[in-house]
Amino acid sequence: GAVVSQHPSWVICKSGTSVKIECRSLDFQATTMFWYRQFPKQSLMLMATSNEGSKATYEQGVEKDKFLINHASLTLSTLTVTSAHPEDSSFYICSANQRLAGGEQYFGPGTRLTVT
Amino acid sequence: AQSVTQPDIHITVSEGASLELRCNYSYGATPYLFWYVQSPGQGLQLLLKYFSGDTLVQGIKGFEAEFKRSQSSFNLRKPSVHWSDAAEYFCALYTGTASKLTFGTGTRLQVTL
Repeated sequence: GAVVSQHPSWVICKSGTSVKIECRSLDFQATTMFWYRQFPKQSLMLMATSNEGSKATYEQGVEKDKFLINHASLTLSTLTVTSAHPEDSSFYICSANQRLAGGEQYFGPGTRLTVT
Repeated sequence: AQSVTQPDIHITVSEGASLELRCNYSYGATPYLFWYVQSPGQGLQLLLKYFSGDTLVQGIKGFEAEFKRSQSSFNLRKPSVHWSDAAEYFCALYTGTASKLTFGTGTRLQVTL
């Protein structure tokens, strides 16, 4: 149980275009979903936290107009990288938790974004 | 503010040898603690967690961790490492603030045959 999927697993896009990444909780309802960014050989950097039906809470330094997060249902959150540039190339990971799960997060497999 | 420190950036062990990965935390109360493992190009998989009760926690893949309040530590151990254990290991802390996890910087484990 507690499986989180991400789609796509990797994507290549041209500079200036937008890319949408989906995160789904497959067998549970996610109270909260999280979006992380990870640079090579580094730890995870939390970008934003989102609760179903409400606006995402962005971490300091994360551009909310560039990284649009939508959490339309208890099983789906999307991250859209708008007007992508090469410096947005990274590994994006989502996670989700359940109510009363004591903070345990279930992670998706990640999405490798390359902007050319 | 809470924090997690993993002092070892990179550790190399021989297959079959024992392993201990260090994790220290800073938090004023009893935290919830987690160890996650990440294989290259993959997401994170939960190895084990500590919420309360028995301070020695058993996890998957033969891993265990011991919570020591006096040392603010939650070290991960495995008696005999397998080559497939080579990965990045993250210790994380949950304090209930905005449901967030605070991650350590990770320890990369290399296993030599």
